[in-house]
Amino acid sequence: GENVEQHPSTLSVQEGDSAVIKCTYSDSASNYFPWYKQELGKGPQLIIDIRSNVGEKKDQRIAVTLNKTAKHFSLHITETQPEDSAVYFCAASFTGGGNKLTFGTGTQLKVEL
Amino acid sequence: GAGVSQTPSNKVTEKGKYVELRCDPISGHTALYWYRQSLGQGPEFLIYFQGTGAADDSGLPNDRFFAVRPEGSVSTLKIQRTERGDSAVYLCASSWGTGATGELFFGEGSRLTVL
Repeated sequence: GENVEQHPSTLSVQEGDSAVIKCTYSDSASNYFPWYKQELGKGPQLIIDIRSNVGEKKDQRIAVTLNKTAKHFSLHITETQPEDSAVYFCAASFTGGGNKLTFGTGTQLKVEL
Repeated sequence: GAGVSQTPSNKVTEKGKYVELRCDPISGHTALYWYRQSLGQGPEFLIYFQGTGAADDSGLPNDRFFAVRPEGSVSTLKIQRTERGDSAVYLCASSWGTGATGELFFGEGSRLTVL
């Protein structure tokens, strides 16, 4: 089955700096790569996703890149703000197989003033 | 409601007891997923439904776990003879379909504590 590894497990940045979280996946059949943000006591919320036919996608301060050959994908947050502080999860799935997401272990992002 | 609703939000039970966790998905969503999230970990897939049928239950850890969705909307996750290792947050998610958009909408979870 799919295995997703995520690094780093914790990340502390100063407000206004950029944050980068990296993930690798194992199953070459995976074609959908979402990123979720989870705040304390809440369920995960989708912030951005990318499909395997695209190498990069951007939405305001958030961007995701995908390298299918290397099986790597990354989340980039620019101009970080205190409200960006949360746990971020990457995930991978094959949409033709029921879209069961396999999640990484999460990155605790702290944006300091 | 507008989002995925899960009840109870917290459940404390004793080892060996039976528990039921309920999920009310977003109206019109045909796919429904159950995940389990242990402390400091990412959610782990348990089972998903397409309509009323369980399309994939490969993530259920053993036969003490069972889930139903009899009318294609509300789902119940049932755990028999609970063990301390079952303590976790159980998350439910729904989506329009298993491949159409891919976006899963999660509820806030049911935190299960087995004493």
